[in-house]
Amino acid sequence: GAGVSQSPRYKVAKRGQDVALRCDPISGHVSLFWYQQALGQGPEFLTYFQNEAQLDKSGLPSDRFFAERPEGSVSTLKIQRTQQEDSAVYLCASSLANTGFGNTIYFGEGSWLTVV
Amino acid sequence: AQSVSQHNHHVILSEAASLELGCNYSYGGTVNLFWYVQYPGQHLQLLLKYFSGDPLVKGIKGFEAEFIKSKFSFNLRKPSVQWSDTAEYFCAVNAFDTDKLIFGTGTRLQVFP
Repeated sequence: GAGVSQSPRYKVAKRGQDVALRCDPISGHVSLFWYQQALGQGPEFLTYFQNEAQLDKSGLPSDRFFAERPEGSVSTLKIQRTQQEDSAVYLCASSLANTGFGNTIYFGEGSWLTVV
Repeated sequence: AQSVSQHNHHVILSEAASLELGCNYSYGGTVNLFWYVQYPGQHLQLLLKYFSGDPLVKGIKGFEAEFIKSKFSFNLRKPSVQWSDTAEYFCAVNAFDTDKLIFGTGTRLQVFP
């Protein structure tokens, strides 16, 4: 597609509910990232995939957070037993290849999660 | 660990004023540096990036940034701002051999006509 697509754009979840956020990266992009952006803060790194391999999940805040990219394209971020502190915008981003060597990361519009 | 500091949290300017937003990073090795902009209701967009070469980088919409290695800084500048520059600006860094972008907390810019 033309850009990184995320769904749902807005999600209200009751505390304790499980949620799944989907990301469709730019076609052909090898690298896929998830970031969390709380109100008034910069994006915080959660996890990173290269194709289907999850190479870095050091930013996932707890074991309630789980991400997958089984076929190396679409990715899903799952949050189990949501808590109020999980309320944030979840940003997905993709890049053609290794960003450390010159490639740009492109961001989606984000999924706004509110836990009530 | 890498970190990014943006000292100006909220900047208010009149149109045609000059802009400089500060960004300092903490990392001892080779880095790549970025400025992203987020217009109201829109996604993060790349303004400019530095990977190597000329430390003065020119981006879109008349923005530029200068990498000063000795000061660990990558300040964003624009000689004359417009109302349409009203947005949130984020500085980001990654080590040259990693893919993880580390962002600053952002600077909110408001430009009044």
